[in-house]
Amino acid sequence: AQSVTQLDSHVSVSEGTPVLLRCNYSSSYSPSLFWYVQHPNKGLQLLLKYTSAATLVKGINGFEAEFKKSETSFHLTKPSAHMSDAAEYFCVVSDRGTGFQKLVFGTGTRLLVSP
Amino acid sequence: KAGVTQTPRYLIKTRGQQVTLSCSPISGHRSVSWYQQTPGQGLQFLFEYFSETQRNKGNFPGRFSGRQFSNSRSEMNVSTLELGDSALYLCASSLGLAGEGETQYFGPGTRLLVL
Repeated sequence: AQSVTQLDSHVSVSEGTPVLLRCNYSSSYSPSLFWYVQHPNKGLQLLLKYTSAATLVKGINGFEAEFKKSETSFHLTKPSAHMSDAAEYFCVVSDRGTGFQKLVFGTGTRLLVSP
Repeated sequence: KAGVTQTPRYLIKTRGQQVTLSCSPISGHRSVSWYQQTPGQGLQFLFEYFSETQRNKGNFPGRFSGRQFSNSRSEMNVSTLELGDSALYLCASSLGLAGEGETQYFGPGTRLLVL
């Protein structure tokens, strides 16, 4: 079965500084990988997804992620944080290994942005 | 285009009761997935329906069930409620199966409190 590990439960940055949210995955197949964001009391919104096309994926709101097969990583980055980026971020992998195709969510990383 | 809608948004039930949650997908989407989100367990996949058939199922007891109608609307039912069922229940819709790399669009969720 596939799995995903978000290496940090909380990340704190100052407004205007870079953001790095780390995600490692485990997969026996060629995975599909996603990043979702959840603002307080709201549903999840797709930031970006990787489906075996370009390894550098650009998403909404200035976020991007790079698929690195050799490192089994899919880290999310943004050059300059904004106060509105404060939210919880989930790394997600598609699971095709068990005969069931479903999404497996990481435990989430809470991004805190200070002025 | 209207987004995913879920009703009701909030529910309070007592142990032993049953509850039915409803989800209306984005027009044209044929897949509906259900997730449970709790602080302790994070986001966990419940099941996915596509064209009125359950295609994938997570590791939840049989008290959790669902169905999908011909218009793609879906309902989730939980019988014999337990305190641990208190959670945010999220519904997501997509054009095709979630595990095949389709983008999922999430509703705002139904917050269930079991007393």
